[in-house]
Amino acid sequence: EDKVVQSPLSLVVHEGDTVTLNCSYEVTNFRSLLWYKQEKKAPTFLFMLTSSGIEKKSGRLSSILDKKELFSILNITATQTGDSAVYLCAVDYSNYQLIWGAGTKLIIKP
Amino acid sequence: SAVISQKPSRDICQRGTSLTIQCQVDSQVTMMFWYRQQPGQSLTLIATANQGSEATYESGFVIDKFPISRPNLTFSTLTVSNMSPEDSSIYLCSVGTGQETQYFGPGTRLLVL
Repeated sequence: EDKVVQSPLSLVVHEGDTVTLNCSYEVTNFRSLLWYKQEKKAPTFLFMLTSSGIEKKSGRLSSILDKKELFSILNITATQTGDSAVYLCAVDYSNYQLIWGAGTKLIIKP
Repeated sequence: SAVISQKPSRDICQRGTSLTIQCQVDSQVTMMFWYRQQPGQSLTLIATANQGSEATYESGFVIDKFPISRPNLTFSTLTVSNMSPEDSSIYLCSVGTGQETQYFGPGTRLLVL
């Protein structure tokens, strides 16, 4: 059965720390892996990854995909309280059909 | 990315009633989706809203409970029918932009008493 597993489920760090969020997957017909940030209701798109080893970067956030070991990581450096959110990972297996992970709840303490 | 709006933003409803949620996009999109996110859970796809034809429902969701309309390429509605407290959730519409990425509307938080 296809699945996407995120770890840890929750994480509490202090402002300024660096965090690494993990997403592993077992999905037939993998097309892409997506990361979203969910603060209140709506997930906001962060990254889409399709190729191994190519880092995507946006400010303090970066992500990379390993298609051999079937995982992705999302790094956030110099964390700020505004980074507190649930981070969702999803794998696209067929034309916008997504399998979602359970999410990592990240809390940044001042 | 497309700009997506949803109405209502939140609502409190009595069991047995129905609520229709609207999703409006500022540009024509081929793919529109409706999701549910129950408290503490991840997203679950309810259905794909198809323009000009019946929606495609995921396992566990049926048209009688969640009728969907898609009259054109910028608008869709989801109705939650004969509601029970178990329907209390966040309901989200999303669109596919042709770049294999989905963008989400602001969501509707529903509480059923």
